[in-house]
Amino acid sequence: EIVMTQSPGTLSVSPGESATLSCRASQSINGNLAWYQQKPGQAPRLLIYGASIRATGVPARFSGSGSGTEFTLSISSLQSEDFAVYYCHQYNNWDTFGQGTKLEIK
Amino acid sequence: EVQLEQSGAEVKKPGESLKISCKGSGYSFTSHWIGWVRQMPGKGLEWMGIIYPSDSTTKYRPSFQGHITISADKSINTAYLQWSSLQASDSAMYYCARGRSGLDYWGQGTLVTVSS
Repeated sequence: EIVMTQSPGTLSVSPGESATLSCRASQSINGNLAWYQQKPGQAPRLLIYGASIRATGVPARFSGSGSGTEFTLSISSLQSEDFAVYYCHQYNNWDTFGQGTKLEIK
Repeated sequence: EVQLEQSGAEVKKPGESLKISCKGSGYSFTSHWIGWVRQMPGKGLEWMGIIYPSDSTTKYRPSFQGHITISADKSINTAYLQWSSLQASDSAMYYCARGRSGLDYWGQGTLVTVSS
């Protein structure tokens, strides 16, 4: 099973600033990576798939990058609605999720 | 509009059986995989397994294999997740979601509580 490790566990950032979230795979996943946002009491929402492709309706301030085993979700000019938990998900082989990064207001 | 509508919350006793559902609408149900994801209280997301409703091809995460059954009835655009014998540790929120390259649409979740 491919293990997905996200860092940091919690990230404190002020509104208007940028945030960078990381996700590392225990082996190469060939760009088969998605990112999700989850707010309390809600289902997750797809943000990015194919490591860098924004899902329909996702604001341009969200961007994904990376390949092989190292991936990044960047959020620029943080809005109040962006503070949530973010998960990465590899679907290259026996899908697995990362443990999540909580993005909180500083 | 694509929608996945899940069945309501359930309260069960250990050892009981359960089948929860996920009804798709607004798209071709047989053309997209449906996956199931577990979220235990206060915890992260766990991928459980996936089904292709067109031919019922199913894949299970090894740690869930043998404990759950995923099925689909394409005549009514519905996927199912079932247990034959629930355990207290099955208490969680369960989501269905569409897709194989990123889960693009999600159901609202079904809360399952298993308690004696």
